Amino acid sequence: NAGVMQNPRHLVRRRGQEARLRCSPMKGHSHVYWYRQLPEEGLKFMVYLQKENIIDESGMPKERFSAEFPKEGPSILRIQQVVRGDSAAYFCASSPPGTGNTIYFGEGSWLTVV
Amino acid sequence: GQQLNQSPQSMFIQEGEDVSMNCTSSSIFNTWLWYKQDPGEGPVLLIALYKAGELTSNGRLTAQFGITRKDSFLNISASIPSDVGIYFCAGPMNSGGSNYKLTFGKGTLLTVNP
Repeated sequence: NAGVMQNPRHLVRRRGQEARLRCSPMKGHSHVYWYRQLPEEGLKFMVYLQKENIIDESGMPKERFSAEFPKEGPSILRIQQVVRGDSAAYFCASSPPGTGNTIYFGEGSWLTVV
Repeated sequence: GQQLNQSPQSMFIQEGEDVSMNCTSSSIFNTWLWYKQDPGEGPVLLIALYKAGELTSNGRLTAQFGITRKDSFLNISASIPSDVGIYFCAGPMNSGGSNYKLTFGKGTLLTVNP
């Protein structure tokens, strides 16, 4: 079974540009989560999505950040008008349907804003 | 919000030595999770603990869920070079909540000298 797939693995953007990060969950998993890891920090929860629904976005910054998980295709985390403080590793995780299941993380997308 | 304090922040040991690291919280957790993150990779779940007092092993790794439910420790016996990485403790943000919304500690960086 392929794990959680993220791309791109590394992304460089200039200030003011847009960043789009993609995540394909593990086969059979319908729940997707995004976490952010700032340098020398632990991961911080951003958003929880199911197909076509945002379930919990309590960790998302109020502006410039959005996430979707369409009926077809990968989940996308979109950051508009990036700033240097957005530089971080963004991890996607997935889990099967049902509550209380272990979540499995992807290898991450490293965003650098220059 | 809930915070997890990990110690030590970093460790330098010789191959073959045993390692112990711990995680404490000011609030009660119902689940404790230990992850390992290799450089440039996503976190991988090592051990999950669900019951106060529980002691669980995974190969050379042993973790315990503290009786007070406010702490946990991870031991690694007979360390080898591939044990190098950052070890994170984590737990659900809300008591009784699903395991997807995790709070992470800042990690313990382990270096093993061959």
